Amino acid sequence: DAGITQSPRYKITETGRQVTLMCHQTWSHSYMFWYRQDLGHGLRLIYYSAAADITDKGEVPDGYVVSRSKTENFPLTLESATRSQTSVYFCASSAATVGYTFGSGTRLTVV
Amino acid sequence: DAKTTQPTSMDCAEGRAANLPCNHSTISGNEYVYWYRQIHSQGPQYIIHGLKNNETNEMASLIITEDRKSSTLILPHATLRDTAVYYCIVRPNAGNMLTFGGGTRLMVKP
Repeated sequence: DAGITQSPRYKITETGRQVTLMCHQTWSHSYMFWYRQDLGHGLRLIYYSAAADITDKGEVPDGYVVSRSKTENFPLTLESATRSQTSVYFCASSAATVGYTFGSGTRLTVV
Repeated sequence: DAKTTQPTSMDCAEGRAANLPCNHSTISGNEYVYWYRQIHSQGPQYIIHGLKNNETNEMASLIITEDRKSSTLILPHATLRDTAVYYCIVRPNAGNMLTFGGGTRLMVKP
């Protein structure tokens, strides 16, 4: 099915563990983004990618790692999860001149 | 990046038009105005965007003032399902990053 999918939808992990959130889009959009949204707050940009093998930091990149070996995938890894990284994570994709399309989000809880 | 200012919250009666204002007095050049909305717990949804002229699609209308320093999103016949947080964003000329502010929480009431 065409679209942008995130997995898993829900994840509970322990402090200090590594966890990877997946994002896959089927449109071959050049741009992909990761945002986090804390309860009751707006979205903050973590990392973005303008094309395969090109990534750059957003507003809140510390503690996160991204890669983009293929245009359609943009995984986000928390190297050593902390409680402050408990949040809802949204992935988005975009062609250069149109709006973003967001995934349904991954709700991550770090205990 | 151009900053936007929106009211924190608004109410609207079901069936009436919802007019959501946005101030972007520092907008420059060819920067576009984008509107998104986020219904509870879902990913943000694109609504409409524009540069200078008024725009309309199946979801909404966007009215941009002649000096481009403000705009209004119009939902012509609001329904309960339009209850959401609405974000007005100015997309910078360089790059393709959108910075989300606090938005306007629209409550549509029966």
